[in-house]
Amino acid sequence: NAGVTQTPKFQVLKTGQSMTLQCAQDMNHEYMSWYRQDPGMGLRLIHYSVGAGITDQGEVPNGYNVSRSTTEDFPLRLLSAAPSQTSVYFCASWAGGRATYGYTFGSGTRLTVV
Amino acid sequence: SQQGEEDPQALSIQEGENATMNCSYKTSINNLQWYRQNSGRGLVHLILIRSNEREKHSGRLRVTLDTSKKSSSLLITASRAADTASYFCTHHSGTYKYIFGTGTRLKVLA
Repeated sequence: NAGVTQTPKFQVLKTGQSMTLQCAQDMNHEYMSWYRQDPGMGLRLIHYSVGAGITDQGEVPNGYNVSRSTTEDFPLRLLSAAPSQTSVYFCASWAGGRATYGYTFGSGTRLTVV
Repeated sequence: SQQGEEDPQALSIQEGENATMNCSYKTSINNLQWYRQNSGRGLVHLILIRSNEREKHSGRLRVTLDTSKKSSSLLITASRAADTASYFCTHHSGTYKYIFGTGTRLKVLA
């Protein structure tokens, strides 16, 4: 099925560990974004990309890195995990331009930092 | 800020009633989008409305856009228990940097 695939679905990290959250889409979308959502809150934009090789910072980029070497993949790297990064992370992609529909979201990665 | 602000923060209605939620923004927009999020799930796109459109429909959903007031509204008619969810708006004003508000939490009582 076409869509946005995020892995892993759940992860527990110790403070100071690093890891990469994977995101892949098979819809040939140019635009991809990473969001985090804390309990009872809205989504906050971490990083986004408007095409392969192009990334930019969102609202809360500190502690995270991204790269976009291919159209399909947009991994999010946590450099040194902190308890404040405990959250649900969503990846999303969008065709952009004249698309009549919006972002397609993945099902999320639930991250706990202890 | 490019953030859309939803209002009210929470809304509780009886099944069969209509639900209206609003979104205000501060900058000029290219398009505005509405999303639904069921508890613990990813967001699902509902409607995208462009700045030159005033109204769009999708099933029981109706979205209006008033660019002069920098506001949009989402109307859900004949609500069902399954419509219980959080609803978010977001917009893009040229940078493709979509920022979401805190949403409207809708509860439809059976």
